[in-house]
Amino acid sequence: GEDVEQSLFLSVREGDSSVINCTYTDSSSTYLYWYKQEPGAGLQLLTYIFSNMDMKQDQRLTVLLNKKDKHLSLRIADTQTGDSAIYFCAETPPMDSSYKLIFGSGTRLLVRP
Amino acid sequence: SQTIHQWPATLVQPVGSPLSLECTVEGTSNPNLYWYRQAAGRGLQLLFYSVGIGQISSEVPQNLSASRPQDRQFILSSKKLLLSDSGFYLCAWSVGAEGWGTEAFFGQGTRLTVV
Repeated sequence: GEDVEQSLFLSVREGDSSVINCTYTDSSSTYLYWYKQEPGAGLQLLTYIFSNMDMKQDQRLTVLLNKKDKHLSLRIADTQTGDSAIYFCAETPPMDSSYKLIFGSGTRLLVRP
Repeated sequence: SQTIHQWPATLVQPVGSPLSLECTVEGTSNPNLYWYRQAAGRGLQLLFYSVGIGQISSEVPQNLSASRPQDRQFILSSKKLLLSDSGFYLCAWSVGAEGWGTEAFFGQGTRLTVV
């Protein structure tokens, strides 16, 4: 089945690290993604990871994938106030010619100065 | 370069009125096109997708319909809006699974309020 779950809210202090977690149910998903949505705007792709990888680092972002537990996380180092937004994880169901994305409900990150 | 245009940005419509939201993509051919809806405080729900002209797939039963009259044009419509149709509507395109990872584009969204 297709289901992606996230915690709804995270609050951190500026300069701390943020860790946003996500669980998914379709173990055969080949691509997993993190998107950022700023208030009133569309979605911006932050990063993605192939299912044959355990970790991917991109500047302040680190993605960890635990396929055994079907757990995906996004770590933001040195979190800034500009990082305040909603973060969505998403998966692409395999063998689906529509290449649609299944999104989690989003985690609202609030960065306190 | 590829761009996606979605309009209008905001819309306030009375219950029972019709709806037409338009989305166009530039800089690519034969994209997969999608309409998502984000209800207040909730995640994104896929409403429709299209893998080619005239090909529309619906993910959930609803009061809305979609059409793709041209390769890079995707339209979301309703004959009579309901209060429950309020939300933030996002158009998106891709060229496949690899496209989502490297060339994922979303429009800026349309905030629809049905009153």
